[in-house]
Amino acid sequence: GQSLEQPSEVTAVEGAIVQINCTYQTSGFYGLSWYQQHDGGAPTFLSYNALDGLEETGRFSSFLSRSDSYGYLLLQELQMKDSASYFCAVSGTGNQFYFGTGTSLTVIP
Amino acid sequence: EAQVTQNPRYLITVTGKKLTVTCSQNMNHEYMSWYRQDPGLGLRQIYYSMNVEVTDKGDVPEGYKVSRKEKRNFPLILESPSPNQTSLYFCASSLSTGGPYNEQFFGPGTRLTVL
Repeated sequence: GQSLEQPSEVTAVEGAIVQINCTYQTSGFYGLSWYQQHDGGAPTFLSYNALDGLEETGRFSSFLSRSDSYGYLLLQELQMKDSASYFCAVSGTGNQFYFGTGTSLTVIP
Repeated sequence: EAQVTQNPRYLITVTGKKLTVTCSQNMNHEYMSWYRQDPGLGLRQIYYSMNVEVTDKGDVPEGYKVSRKEKRNFPLILESPSPNQTSLYFCASSLSTGGPYNEQFFGPGTRLTVL
């Protein structure tokens, strides 16, 4: 079957760096994506990793290790507006998408 | 503006009364999908469609139907809604499922309550 594990909650201080981990188990694998969702809003795409390594997009970076079935999202220079839920998701050869249960990030002053 | 639209945004209905939630995208995307989001369970895929007239079950298809008669539209049908289908529903679309084009664009969501 498919499963994705990520921490349920993380708290970090404004200006700091936070890492949200995701481990996955899936049959067939195209890549690992990350989405952000603010309360009451729709998920929005942040990043996608198909190959091992680090992808950087501004303050956000995402890492993938295919051999370890593991990835993480790194948020730098945290801002209050980064308080949101973050979901990892995998797409596989079955054309389905599977999402983790989400990590609620709270940024405190 | 590139977007995915859903209607209605909010719906309260009663058990057994058929309903349809519409979804439309203007990005010429091949792939469309429906998800339900419940507290603590994340997003779970209900149905997806690779192209017109091609639909497949996701993880939680029971009690739902879909159709893809046009590329831009992907309605979700609940023939006989039950209270356990009370949830927040999202429609999404993307160019594909693999490679760099699998970024999914989500609609604003439909909050459904079945009494």
